[in-house]
Amino acid sequence: ETGVTQTPRHLVMGMTNKKSLKCEQHLGHNAMYWYKQSAKKPLELMFVYSLEERVENNSVPSRFSPECPNSSHLFLHLHTLQPEDSALYLCASSQLRGVGYEQYFGPGTRLTVT
Amino acid sequence: GQQVMQIPQYQHVQEGEDFTTYCNSSTTLSNIQWYKQRPGGHPVFLIQLVKSGEVKKQKRLTFQFGEAKKNSSLHITATQTTDVGTYFCAGGGSNYKLTFGKGTLLTVNP
Repeated sequence: ETGVTQTPRHLVMGMTNKKSLKCEQHLGHNAMYWYKQSAKKPLELMFVYSLEERVENNSVPSRFSPECPNSSHLFLHLHTLQPEDSALYLCASSQLRGVGYEQYFGPGTRLTVT
Repeated sequence: GQQVMQIPQYQHVQEGEDFTTYCNSSTTLSNIQWYKQRPGGHPVFLIQLVKSGEVKKQKRLTFQFGEAKKNSSLHITATQTTDVGTYFCAGGGSNYKLTFGKGTLLTVNP
């Protein structure tokens, strides 16, 4: 499946580093999402962008900074992370239209903070 | 806020046995979606239910949405090793937001 791509697939960073995660969707969707998936926890919604406007910021620490330059691209800028931020970060997109808005996920970035 | 509870957390079955996972929401949902995540993979959309009491089938998978639109179930008949993975329900409230359950990890012994 190549509808939603994410890079890098794996990332190891120190607590003082700055890095960015990239997501691109090729489905023509109008909404994009960042989720955090940790062991033994539900998928946690972090940010939602609808038509390039941020519509949801789920009490995410400021060390995570999203950017959505256009409807196809989504970034997550990371700085001064903590070890508990280690997780799988998933990007998703959907086409908002009435009730039907199934989400298409990318393969994720496995992040390890040392 | 909206909470979605899913049980069981784990289920191990012998190949050929049936499997069911249940989902309950603290609030009435506009729709419910089900996703499957294979080990090492990412969630993949399976189906969406919208109507009260709706039942949908996909081959050996049967999905139900409760009359009150607060609960749902996924039933797999005669499991196969290819069914292994984590099954998530996700409740739809507002237009863009889904609340995911913790998922049920299904393992199948051949």
